[in-house]
Amino acid sequence: DADVTQTPRNRITKTGKRIMLECSQTKGHDRMYWYRQDPGLGLRLIYYSFDVKDINKGEISDGYSVSRQAQAKFSLSLESAIPNQTALYFCATSDRRGSSYNEQFFGPGTRLTVL
Amino acid sequence: GNSVTQMEGPVTLSEEAFLTINCTYTATGYPSLFWYVQYPGEGLQLLLKATKADDKGSNKGFEATYRKETTSFHLEKGSVQVSDSAVYFCALSATGNQFYFGTGTSLTVIP
Repeated sequence: DADVTQTPRNRITKTGKRIMLECSQTKGHDRMYWYRQDPGLGLRLIYYSFDVKDINKGEISDGYSVSRQAQAKFSLSLESAIPNQTALYFCATSDRRGSSYNEQFFGPGTRLTVL
Repeated sequence: GNSVTQMEGPVTLSEEAFLTINCTYTATGYPSLFWYVQYPGEGLQLLLKATKADDKGSNKGFEATYRKETTSFHLEKGSVQVSDSAVYFCALSATGNQFYFGTGTSLTVIP
C-alpha cells in the first residue's frame, strides 16, 4: 500500500465551486505539505503544517485553505475554484526526527481541472 | 533568500549518451541538496541527496556532488537508458525544513 495517498486522483470542476483535496499518510511523519505543479514553474508550496496545531502559508496560499484534521491527514480546499487553479497538486510528508533536513515523500498527485 | 536554478529543457539524448543537468542554488546557511525524479503519471521520488559540502550523492548510476564554492549540484549519468526518460527536479532544504524546487528538466532518451 502507498505510504502517502491522495484523493481524488483526477477532478474536473466548474468555476465558483468549492472543492477539497485530501491527503493521508501512514508514514507517521509529523510534517505535511501541499504543492502545485505547473508546466515551466516547477513545484510551488501552497501550505505546510509541522504538527496538528500548526498551519503555515507557503509561496502561493491565496485562494486556498487547509485543515490538519489529524497527524495523518491534511486536506486542501479551494473555496471558489477559478480556471488558473488548474494544475497538478501534490501532498508530501517529512519527519523532523533524525537529520534536520529530511527527505520529502510525495503522494501520486491530483490532477485538477477548473472549467 | 533560498532558490534553485536548473537547466531548462527539454533534453533529448540517444541511449548510452552522457547526461548532465545543471543546477545552481542560492541559500542562507548550509542547505541539503536533492535530486528528485518524476516518471510519467507519478509523483516525485528521491533520486539522490547530499547533506554537506563535497558530499557525493549517487543512485541508479546517477551522481551529483555538492560544490559549495560554485553553489552547484549538477546531475550526471555516464550512459542513459530509455527508462531514464522523466522530469528531474533539483531541490534544496534549508533551516525549517522547507523545500525549494527548481522548475524541472524533462529528459527523453531515444533508442
